Amino acid sequence: GQQLNQSPQSMFIQEGEDVSMNCTSSSIFNTWLWYKQDPGEGPVLLIALYKAGELTSNGRLTAQFGITRKDSFLNISASIPSDVGIYFCAGSPGYGGATNKLIFGTGTLLAVQP
Amino acid sequence: GAVVSQHPSRVICKSGTSVKIECRSLDFQATTMFWYRQFPKQSLMLMATSNEGSKATYEQGVEKDKFLINHASLTLSTLTVTSAHPEDSSFYICSARKGARNTEAFFGQGTRLTVV
Repeated sequence: GQQLNQSPQSMFIQEGEDVSMNCTSSSIFNTWLWYKQDPGEGPVLLIALYKAGELTSNGRLTAQFGITRKDSFLNISASIPSDVGIYFCAGSPGYGGATNKLIFGTGTLLAVQP
Repeated sequence: GAVVSQHPSRVICKSGTSVKIECRSLDFQATTMFWYRQFPKQSLMLMATSNEGSKATYEQGVEKDKFLINHASLTLSTLTVTSAHPEDSSFYICSARKGARNTEAFFGQGTRLTVV
């Protein structure tokens, strides 16, 4: 199935550092979502983006919907150990109906050393 | 909040048997539910879209006769893996969507299926 390209694949950082990851697509998406997944659990929604250029924050997390509609970025500031996990971007080409299914990125594994 | 519950969380079955996984939206009605499969250290791959009261829509390459999906009510969808094979061992995750245009899909906690 179709996937989004997400980078980096993994990151190993020190507590307190800022983190950036991005997601790119060859086609236009009208919705971008960012999820975090802990081992053996389902993904949990972090941020949802609906407009090109939109910048949205959720605590220490900030995500942006790229102007071209083909990319999105997630930043985590002042990382803490509990930020450890796998982060997935997900995009949807449509707003409703059959085109509303989510396509997931390849994931970014984040490890934070205290 | 929006809670999606998946059951069982873990299941081990013998080759050739069938396994049913349930996905329930606990505090909202979901006209659409999605079933994903995730292999270790990989992303979520959409298997099928489950619509209440109608046939599921399967993604290319997913065998509809092997992965039976039933969405009998607005709060329950089931995935049955028929004639299970060791290669079917995987993490299966469902998600439920609130409303027709709301792309915010809420995920269940997943089911770890091991076929021996």
